[in-house]
Amino acid sequence: EPEVTQTPSHQVTQMGQEVILRCVPISNHLYFYWYRQILGQKVEFLVSFYNNEISEKSEIFDDQFSVERPDGSNFTLKIRSTKLEDSAMYFCASSDPGREETQYFGPGTRLLVL
Amino acid sequence: SQQGEEDPQALSIQEGENATMNCSYKTSINNLQWYRQNSGRGLVHLILIRSNEREKHSGRLRVTLDTSKKSSSLLITASRAADTASYFCATDASWNAGNMLTFGGGTRLMVKP
Repeated sequence: EPEVTQTPSHQVTQMGQEVILRCVPISNHLYFYWYRQILGQKVEFLVSFYNNEISEKSEIFDDQFSVERPDGSNFTLKIRSTKLEDSAMYFCASSDPGREETQYFGPGTRLLVL
Repeated sequence: SQQGEEDPQALSIQEGENATMNCSYKTSINNLQWYRQNSGRGLVHLILIRSNEREKHSGRLRVTLDTSKKSSSLLITASRAADTASYFCATDASWNAGNMLTFGGGTRLMVKP
């Protein structure tokens, strides 16, 4: 069964460094999302992406964050200058144009900012 | 406003028993979805119920939705040790495609063998 994949599974970085989290959504899906989950807290929406542009974003998704679909398969989240509070599990998700409501999540990237 | 608050926060049962988890939300919704998360892992979609539906089944899962009370319940029947996980409800409040899900805090279910 097709699934969303994410790399790396874990990333440790120094505060102020840039990180790029990568996702490969399910191949025929057209809607893409990033969420994050700080340890012990709720899963929070960051951004949704469709037709090569952001369709919705939350307050968390400030100028430090950006998303890109650099080719036909990858979907990336970049954090320009990481802060300690960016430490979290980041989940990518995608949804099918015929079944937009169901979002399929990847296994996540655990980001630790030191 | 907060959406998708689950209760209980934690539930411990014996294998074979049924587990019921509840979710409450505050605004009107298009649909409500339940996800499972094994410790430190990704979110697995379990079931989606639309606002015009009252009950839905999938295998050992039964979901109900009461839009007048803005609440939903997830029932897992004949639980197994492998059902041990956190369960989250997530609401979709828009009728457009590609919208954000708002997650609750989750119920941690432990099924003892």
